[in-house]
Amino acid sequence: AQSVTQLGSHVSVSEGALVLLRCNYSSSVPPYLFWYVQYPNQGLQLLLKYTTGATLVKGINGFEAEFKKSETSFHLTKPSAHMSDAAEYFCAVVKAAGNKLTFGGGTRVLVKP
Amino acid sequence: DVKVTQSSRYLVKRTGEKVFLECVQDMDHENMFWYRQDPGLGLRLIYFSYDVKMKEKGDIPEGYSVSREKKERFSLILESASTNQTSMYLCASSPWTGAKVEAFFGQGTRLTVV
Repeated sequence: AQSVTQLGSHVSVSEGALVLLRCNYSSSVPPYLFWYVQYPNQGLQLLLKYTTGATLVKGINGFEAEFKKSETSFHLTKPSAHMSDAAEYFCAVVKAAGNKLTFGGGTRVLVKP
Repeated sequence: DVKVTQSSRYLVKRTGEKVFLECVQDMDHENMFWYRQDPGLGLRLIYFSYDVKMKEKGDIPEGYSVSREKKERFSLILESASTNQTSMYLCASSPWTGAKVEAFFGQGTRLTVV
C-alpha cells in the first residue's frame, strides 16, 4: 500500500522568506504526485501536479515542486512567502493505473509579518 | 467553472440519528469520492464510486454507506451517527482517467454529532 508522509504539521515562516514543505511517499512504483492547498473554511484546490516529463513542476501562486525518484520525495517550495500563503497544504499520490488519491497528514503554514 | 457542491456547510446531529450528506457535481465526472478530514490525519478515503450504482470501500468505511443513483450525485450515509464521526467531510470528483487529472473538491461539510 502506498503512503504519504509530510514532515512537520505546522510551519512558521516570515513574510518574504523561503517556504519549504516536505513530502515523501512510499510506493512500489512511482506514482503521480499532487500538492493541494486549503484556505480556511474552503475545500482543496490544486497547486501543482507531477505525472510524467520534467521533474521540476511549476504551479499557481509562485509555488514549485521537484520530483526526486531516488529520494521518493516531492517537496514544495516558494522563494518568497506572502501573507496570503497562510493555509494548509496537502501532498497526495495516486497510482498510475488507479484513481484514488492518498493524502499526507497536511502542513499548516503560518506567515509572520 | 467546474463545481462540486455539498448540500450543507455545517450540520449538528444527535447520536443514533441517520445522517445523509449530499454531493452534486456538474462536470459529468465518472469518479466521485468521500473523504473525512481530521487534524493531523489529513484526508482519509471513506468510499468512492466509479460509475452509477458502483462503489468501492476506501480506507475507513466502517459506520458509513454510500449511494449513487445518478451520475452527478453521490450521497454519504451515516447509518447511526456516533460522536467519533464528528469531523469535516469532503466530497470530490474526477474523470475516469483520474490518475493524471486532479480531483475537484467541494467546500466541505462540518458535522458535529452530540
